[in-house]
Amino acid sequence: EPEVTQTPSHQVTQMGQEVILRCVPISNHLYFYWYRQILGQKVEFLVSFYNNEISEKSEIFDDQFSVERPDGSNFTLKIRSTKLEDSAMYFCASRYRDRGELFFGEGSRLTVL
Amino acid sequence: DQQVKQNSPSLSVQEGRISILNCDYTNSMFDYFLWYKKYPAEGPTFLISISSIKDKNEDGRFTVFLNKSAKHLSLHIVPSQPGDSAVYFCAATGSFGNEKLTFGTGTRLTIIP
Repeated sequence: EPEVTQTPSHQVTQMGQEVILRCVPISNHLYFYWYRQILGQKVEFLVSFYNNEISEKSEIFDDQFSVERPDGSNFTLKIRSTKLEDSAMYFCASRYRDRGELFFGEGSRLTVL
Repeated sequence: DQQVKQNSPSLSVQEGRISILNCDYTNSMFDYFLWYKKYPAEGPTFLISISSIKDKNEDGRFTVFLNKSAKHLSLHIVPSQPGDSAVYFCAATGSFGNEKLTFGTGTRLTIIP
């Protein structure tokens, strides 16, 4: 069964360092998302991406964040200068069409020290 | 801005009985609702969805009910099984363009053998 895959599963970094989280969405999907979940809190929307551009971003997704789909298969989230409060599980998700369920990856746990 | 609310953070149910998880929403533009199940350290997994043109959708042991006038939906699991123990998230979306999901805060369901 096709699935969304994410790497790394866990990354520990020092505050101020750059982090890149990688995702391979399901191959025929067209809409891509990043969500995050701080421990014990709800799953929060970060950004959506369609047709090679950001279609919407949340207040959380400030200038320190960026997304890219460099080669038609990978979808990356970059945090330029990590802060302690960026520690969370980051989930990539994709969908085939503009309605219907999102398929989520297993998540990348980011720990900022 | 809690547009989707799950007021019960936890619920315990005896194996074999019915589990009822509730969700309320405030945004009248939401027209498609989904339930996701999440195990620790895994991504959310889609369970069942319902469009606002329906008031009920059933899939095996899972049934979702939608009361549009009350802006309320519920997920019924019957009979409940130990493997159903997880956190359940209600999510909603509307015809906003990019179809992002807005998640509730989750309900931790524990099935007691």
